This record gives sequence, C-alpha cells and structure tokens, in this order.
Amino acid sequence: DVKVTQSSRYLVKRTGEKVFLECVQDMDHENMFWYRQDPGLGLRLIYFSYDVKMKEKGDIPEGYSVSREKKERFSLILESASTNQTSMYLCASSLRGGTNEKLFFGSGTQLSVL
Amino acid sequence: GNSVTQMEGPVTLSEEAFLTINCTYTATGYPSLFWYVQYPGEGLQLLLKATKADDKGSNKGFEATYRKETTSFHLEKGSVQVSDSAVYFCALKQGGTSYGKLTFGQGTILTVHP
Repeated sequence: DVKVTQSSRYLVKRTGEKVFLECVQDMDHENMFWYRQDPGLGLRLIYFSYDVKMKEKGDIPEGYSVSREKKERFSLILESASTNQTSMYLCASSLRGGTNEKLFFGSGTQLSVL
Repeated sequence: GNSVTQMEGPVTLSEEAFLTINCTYTATGYPSLFWYVQYPGEGLQLLLKATKADDKGSNKGFEATYRKETTSFHLEKGSVQVSDSAVYFCALKQGGTSYGKLTFGQGTILTVHP
C-alpha cells in the first residue's frame, strides 16, 4: 500500500516564525498536494506539484510557499506564521494518468500558531 | 468555478438505520465524482467514485449514483454500523485535467450509536 508520511502529528509555533511541514510518499507518485482542513469549510487546496521542481497555486496560496526538490518529498512553508494559519494540514499524492483520481492522504499535521 | 455542497451535519443515527448524505455540485463539462471517508485520527481514504453520468459507485455497503440532471451524488447505506462513524467528504475532479486536483465539500460528521 502507498504510504504518505507527514513529519509531525502536532506542531505548536509562535506568530512570525518560519514553519516547515514535510511530506514524503513511497510509491513514486508524480502528483503531490497540500490541503488545509477547517471545520465547516472542508478541504481547501493550497498548492500542488505535478513533477519535481514544478508547482501550481491552489485556491488559497496566500501566506504559503512549497518546495519539491525530490520526487518523493513535498514541503509546505509558512514564511511568517499567523494565528489564522492554525489548522489541520493534509498532504496527498497520486499517480499521473488514467487512475490518477485516487488521492492517498497522510494522517495530517495539526498546527497551532500562538 | 467548481464547488461541492454537502448536507449540514452532524448526523447521528442508531445502528442498522438507513443513511443518506446529500451532495450536490457545480462544475462545467463532465466531472468525476468521489466520496472520501476520514476515520478518527487518520487521513482521508477513497470510499467510492463514479466517472460518468448514471454510474453507480459502491464499496463496503455504501452506494452513490452520479445524477447529471440534478447535479447530485448522494451517499447511501442501508444499515449503518458503529464502525461507520467518521467524517464523509464529497469531491469532484474537473474533466480534462490530469493532475488529480480535487474540489471537496465541507464534510459531514456521522456518529452511529449502538
């Protein structure tokens, strides 16, 4: 089975800190995604990447950046954390091509910004 | 743009009750439709999907039919179990894209009591 691993389950940071959320997948998937999950809002796409060094903005990219230097790793960066970025962050990956609709998700990182 | 709207939750049922979770969507063209489930403390996992009008997706006793005329994809199960307690997300993928990018609804919390 595909495994998508997020580096931390819980993270507490202070306002203004630079925050790195790491995600690694082990099935050679081309596509990787970062979503945030908030009660009543569902999942909203922050950024996605369809290849190494390639990235595209999602629906809510403001305040975030990403890095994909290796195929298996996709990092989400909060340049200067703010309290409104307190949320559950979910990483996902998928294959490119005919069966690429199936996303495989990590367990999530609950980030609290104080 | 694309959007997915789910029925307001949370939903609380007794074991063996009938379940319906409503989902409607707005999209151009011919999207693919999905239901994902999130069990406590875990990431999302694909429950079922349908890729064209009148298709029925099914898995683990859950079913949903892609209704283009009503732009709906309602989730049903004839007899729920305590183990079905989870958050359920309806999602769509715009037709023609190859990156697997999904638009999610707000999620519906289901609690099943013995």
